[in-house]
Amino acid sequence: DGGITQSPKYLFRKEGQNVTLSCEQNLNHDAMYWYRQDPGQGLRLIYYSQIVNDFQKGDIAEGYSVSREKKESFPLTVTSAQKNPTAFYLCASSNGGQGSYYGYTFGSGTRLTVV
Amino acid sequence: KQEVTQIPAALSVPEGENLVLNCSFTDSAIYNLQWFRQDPGKGLTSLLLIQSSQREQTSGRLNASLDKSSGRSTLYIAASQPGDSATYLCAVIDNYGQNFVFGPGTRLSVLP
Repeated sequence: DGGITQSPKYLFRKEGQNVTLSCEQNLNHDAMYWYRQDPGQGLRLIYYSQIVNDFQKGDIAEGYSVSREKKESFPLTVTSAQKNPTAFYLCASSNGGQGSYYGYTFGSGTRLTVV
Repeated sequence: KQEVTQIPAALSVPEGENLVLNCSFTDSAIYNLQWFRQDPGKGLTSLLLIQSSQREQTSGRLNASLDKSSGRSTLYIAASQPGDSATYLCAVIDNYGQNFVFGPGTRLSVLP
């Protein structure tokens, strides 16, 4: 079955450490997205990529970095510059170019906690 | 900048009731609107996608309507069940943007 796989499901980060969250899709979607979700708040866009080797900052990109070397993969690195990284991170993909004609498909999320 | 609101923030109903969740958006020039369900600690599951040229979509006990001119969408759930308990989010994408803008969600509890 096609879908999006996020790993790990739970991740713990020590102060000053960089960690990388994995997102893989086998839907043959062109576009991929990373969102952050905090309790009581809506989803906020971190980064997105419309095609391979290209990505754009979202609303809260500071302290995060991404790469898009393959169509199927869009890993997110939470750097030590991100001062409040504890949150639930969601990866999504879409097809159809601008406007995401067919809507979004989401992964199951990664919960990151600073220890 | 597009803003999306959802009313109510939380809703608790007895099993079997029909209910309506509301979604409002500030810019009516949208490309499409999508309703999602999120269970605690889980990702988002797509429920219905409404293109801008459509007025409604139906899937089982769910019906979503779209009124672009008034900037509103409603999600109607018929004969609610305890398994419907979750947070429901709507998201819109406008004709100029590349990405969806999400509402904060409505947390639904259906009591047996």
